[in-house]
Amino acid sequence: KAGVTQTPRYLIKTRGQQVTLSCSPISGHRSVSWYQQTPGQGLQFLFEYFSETQRNKGNFPGRFSGRQFSNSRSEMNVSTLELGDSALYLCASSLVWGNPQYFGPGTRLTVT
Amino acid sequence: GESVGLHLPTLSVQEGDNSIINCAYSNSASDYFIWYKQESGKGPQFIIDIRSNMDKRQGQRVTVLLNKTVKHLSLQIAATQPGDSAVYFCAETTAGGTSYGKLTFGQGTILTVHP
Repeated sequence: KAGVTQTPRYLIKTRGQQVTLSCSPISGHRSVSWYQQTPGQGLQFLFEYFSETQRNKGNFPGRFSGRQFSNSRSEMNVSTLELGDSALYLCASSLVWGNPQYFGPGTRLTVT
Repeated sequence: GESVGLHLPTLSVQEGDNSIINCAYSNSASDYFIWYKQESGKGPQFIIDIRSNMDKRQGQRVTVLLNKTVKHLSLQIAATQPGDSAVYFCAETTAGGTSYGKLTFGQGTILTVHP
């Protein structure tokens, strides 16, 4: 099976802009979670989607949002970008709870 | 204020040695644990998992030990190879409810294997 794919892999944006990142889960996986990874804060949970519904959300401002489509593909959006949003954004998919999450390669976002 | 980078613990071993990476988790209600390996420029890679009704689980060259009494997890890698050099993370989660799909990660440990 193909693994989790994320596009784009690298992105450079300017403060105030918005960005949309895409994630395609492993075939058959219906749960998609998003994480932000920074040197200062490590890996932090953003949100999780299952069957097009957001089931859980981490402690991030409302500028961070996401959605999931009927084919389980997911997107996350960050509006009004700040310098501190520079990070590696990781998507992970899993079958159901009690099964491991498998991560994609991430999208490296740089905000200038 | 200015953010301070995480100072990751490091473990340096010789090729062929056994490695033990430790992790203290925070939530006594956590009941599912996963170890990940992350190489530079890549996403975390699943290594092995364990549920709270077990205290030991073995995979290929890896063993995970869980001590719920002291909330401690360890990953043992046998016959460590240079290709094992990476950052290793433990992650914890609880079943359902407000924890759907949420993994809480440890800070990570940098493993360096010298040939």
